[in-house]
Amino acid sequence: AQTVTQSQPEMSVQEAETVTLSCTYDTSENNYYLFWYKQPPSRQMILVIRQEAYKQQNATENRFSVNFQKAAKSFSLKISDSQLGDTAMYFCAFMKQVPGNQFYFGTGTSLTVIP
Amino acid sequence: NAGVMQNPRHLVRRRGQEARLRCSPMKGHSHVYWYRQLPEEGLKFMVYLQKENIIDESGMPKERFSAEFPKEGPSILRIQQVVRGDSAAYFCASSPGIGPSNQPQHFGDGTRLSIL
Repeated sequence: AQTVTQSQPEMSVQEAETVTLSCTYDTSENNYYLFWYKQPPSRQMILVIRQEAYKQQNATENRFSVNFQKAAKSFSLKISDSQLGDTAMYFCAFMKQVPGNQFYFGTGTSLTVIP
Repeated sequence: NAGVMQNPRHLVRRRGQEARLRCSPMKGHSHVYWYRQLPEEGLKFMVYLQKENIIDESGMPKERFSAEFPKEGPSILRIQQVVRGDSAAYFCASSPGIGPSNQPQHFGDGTRLSIL
């Protein structure tokens, strides 16, 4: 079974500062994908960034980057130059490929960016 | 190119009634996934369907819940004899297939089900 753990229920950061959200997971799969999704108050699920487990290079998407440590099964999200629009719930997700692309989500971290 | 469309956005039912949630996948997508989000929790996988087939329903409660994805029309998640514990946000996602080139899944905006 796959489990995803986000140990920080709530975090806050000053506008323009950097914040890191942590995520750990447990799996016996070798090929999988990891994602961070953002859920603002509108409750839409918005893809922030994704990482293929077979790639050693950490994914980067503008102000968002990840620190992927496969051996430690850790997948943290770093948000640089935080903006007020970054205020949202952030969910870490694991996806396996068999039998289909099902996601397994963590319980989320509520991030508040303080002006 | 419209995204994943879910309706209704909000649905209110009394205990014992039936709830029907609809999901139209993105154009060209033949794989549909349903997830449930209870208050203060992450999304939990319920069921994975392809056209006319249920591929994996390991996350679906054994009773009262059913899902279909007919050859024509949207995917339907049906909850019979609803109870208060069914109150949640139900999200649908779609993808064109499986495998490295066919993800990530695209999510709809969800249906918020409230049971009185």
